[in-house]
Amino acid sequence: AQSVTQLGSHVSVSEGALVLLRCNYSSSVPPYLFWYVQYPNQGLQLLLKYTTGATLVKGINGFEAEFKKSETSFHLTKPSAHMSDAAEYFCAVSKETSGSRLTFGEGTQLTVNP
Amino acid sequence: DAGVIQSPRHEVTEMGQEVTLRCKPISGHNSLFWYRQTMMRGLELLIYFNNNVPIDDSGMPEDRFSAKMPNASFSTLKIQPSEPRDSAVYFCASSGDRPPRGYTFGSGTRLTVV
Repeated sequence: AQSVTQLGSHVSVSEGALVLLRCNYSSSVPPYLFWYVQYPNQGLQLLLKYTTGATLVKGINGFEAEFKKSETSFHLTKPSAHMSDAAEYFCAVSKETSGSRLTFGEGTQLTVNP
Repeated sequence: DAGVIQSPRHEVTEMGQEVTLRCKPISGHNSLFWYRQTMMRGLELLIYFNNNVPIDDSGMPEDRFSAKMPNASFSTLKIQPSEPRDSAVYFCASSGDRPPRGYTFGSGTRLTVV
């Protein structure tokens, strides 16, 4: 079975500071990995995804994530936080052989302080 | 593409009434998912369709909940009778199959049962 663990249900950073949201996965087969963002009163929106190829993936709004197989991690980073980044972030994993079904983490609420 | 379309956006109903939520997936997507999101329980997968066939309904809370997908462009989630504990945001998402593209979520239906 596959699973996703997001370390820290709440993360708080200052505007301009580094954003680091942690995600570790468990999968018996090569995974596909995703990060989603949910702004207040909206649905989840795809930020970025890793399927194959380059392990450093760039997404929208300046976010990027690096797939590290040896650490079974897919942490999300952004060099400089902006107030508009305040949202909930979900990591998700899909088994390569399972088609489209995703397993989501519990989510991390990001607060950006002025 | 208009994305995944859910209706209504907001629904307020009295306990005991029937509620029907609607979803139009993205054309060409062959998987459809219904999720429920609450503060207490987070994001919960209710049911998953592939090629209009229910694949996994183990997340459906109880017999009061039912979901149908009569064709590739339409799905409904029905609650009958509704109870206050059903109050939540219900999301529909759709996805293509290969390669995994991740889900596209609708904007959700905020259900309040009074």
